[in-house]
Amino acid sequence: TQLLEQSPQFLSIQEGENLTVYCNSSSVFSSLQWYRQEPGEGPVLLVTVVTGGEVKKLKRLTFQFGDARKDSSLHITAAQPGDTGLYLCAGADSLDSSYKLIFGSGTRLLVRP
Amino acid sequence: DAGVIQSPRHEVTEMGQEVTLRCKPISGHNSLFWYRQTMMRGLELLIYFNNNVPIDDSGMPEDRFSAKMPNASFSTLKIQPSEPRDSAVYFCANQGQGTEAFFGQGTRLTVV
Repeated sequence: TQLLEQSPQFLSIQEGENLTVYCNSSSVFSSLQWYRQEPGEGPVLLVTVVTGGEVKKLKRLTFQFGDARKDSSLHITAAQPGDTGLYLCAGADSLDSSYKLIFGSGTRLLVRP
Repeated sequence: DAGVIQSPRHEVTEMGQEVTLRCKPISGHNSLFWYRQTMMRGLELLIYFNNNVPIDDSGMPEDRFSAKMPNASFSTLKIQPSEPRDSAVYFCANQGQGTEAFFGQGTRLTVV
């Protein structure tokens, strides 16, 4: 069974602080995605990383895929209250013409003004 | 496109009753997933379809759960009989040609 462990599970920080969320697995994935979910909504894709060692930036968010394609991190610089939400990583395995997505346990972030 | 549409948004039912959750996927997106989300277990994959065919239903918890996709524009997840431990938010999600999953807003199910 493929599992994705995220840490920390909960994070409460002050506006302006930096933070890093980790996503680890013993399995290799063809790609890895990060989603953000707000209350009452479904998860929304932030980024997809495909190549081992890949780094992608999305404004104040930096995503990295591990060299072995088993782990990933999300770093937020100068967090803002609008960053509050549930962050989910998801590993994708290709199967025929579709991709099976396995989600991590999630990191619940609260940014206090 | 209106995105993935799920109905109902909220469902409260008594234990033992049949529950049917509905999903209208994005037109042209060939893969459809049903997920269940709880605080304890996170987002669990129940079943997924590709081109209307069930590919993997290993995540379906029990025989009480069943899912169908009779055509490319409609899918259902049925629980019969429902139990309090089935209370969760159920999501339907779509994939097109890539790996990105587009989620509906979910159905919050409460079984009392």
